[in-house]
Amino acid sequence: AQTVTQSQPEMSVQEAETVTLSCTYDTSENNYYLFWYKQPPSRQMILVIRQEAYKQQNATENRFSVNFQKAAKSFSLKISDSQLGDTAMYFCAFILRNAGNMLTFGGGTRLMVKP
Amino acid sequence: DTGVSQNPRHKITKRGQNVTFRCDPISEHNRLYWYRQTLGQGPEFLTYFQNEAQLEKSRLLSDRFSAERPKGSFSTLEIQRTEQGDSAMYLCASSFGGAAYEQYFGPGTRLTVT
Repeated sequence: AQTVTQSQPEMSVQEAETVTLSCTYDTSENNYYLFWYKQPPSRQMILVIRQEAYKQQNATENRFSVNFQKAAKSFSLKISDSQLGDTAMYFCAFILRNAGNMLTFGGGTRLMVKP
Repeated sequence: DTGVSQNPRHKITKRGQNVTFRCDPISEHNRLYWYRQTLGQGPEFLTYFQNEAQLEKSRLLSDRFSAERPKGSFSTLEIQRTEQGDSAMYLCASSFGGAAYEQYFGPGTRLTVT
């Protein structure tokens, strides 16, 4: 079974600064995808960024980037130039590549961006 | 709006009553997923459909829970004899294919059992 752990229940950052959210996971499989999802207050969950485990290059989407360390089973999210609209719950998630039908989520990190 | 929709958005029911939720996926998506999210936690997988076939169910899905997806379009999730522990947000997601494809989430149905 796969597990995902987010060790930071809450974090805060000043607007325009950079923040890094941590995620570790455990699996015996080699082929999988990792995701960061954002869930703003009272709004639906949206995908922020995706990483294929077979790719060594870290994924980047505008102000969002990841640090994927496969051997360490670590997948952190860096948000640069934080904006007030980044305030949300952030969930790290995992899915197997070949037999994956369900996302396994971590417990989430509540991020507050302060003006 | 062509996203995933869920109805109702909120449901308050008394313990022991039955409730049914509806999910309308993005029209061209053949996969549909149900997750449950309790307060302050990440979503947990409940069940998954490919077209009209229910292909996987979590152990969380007790015999009081049943899900259907007739004709491979919308889906319903029914909870019979609700318990206070069923209080949660029930999320629906859909995707065009397997693991490589993004799952798009609906806004959820928040169930409160009193």
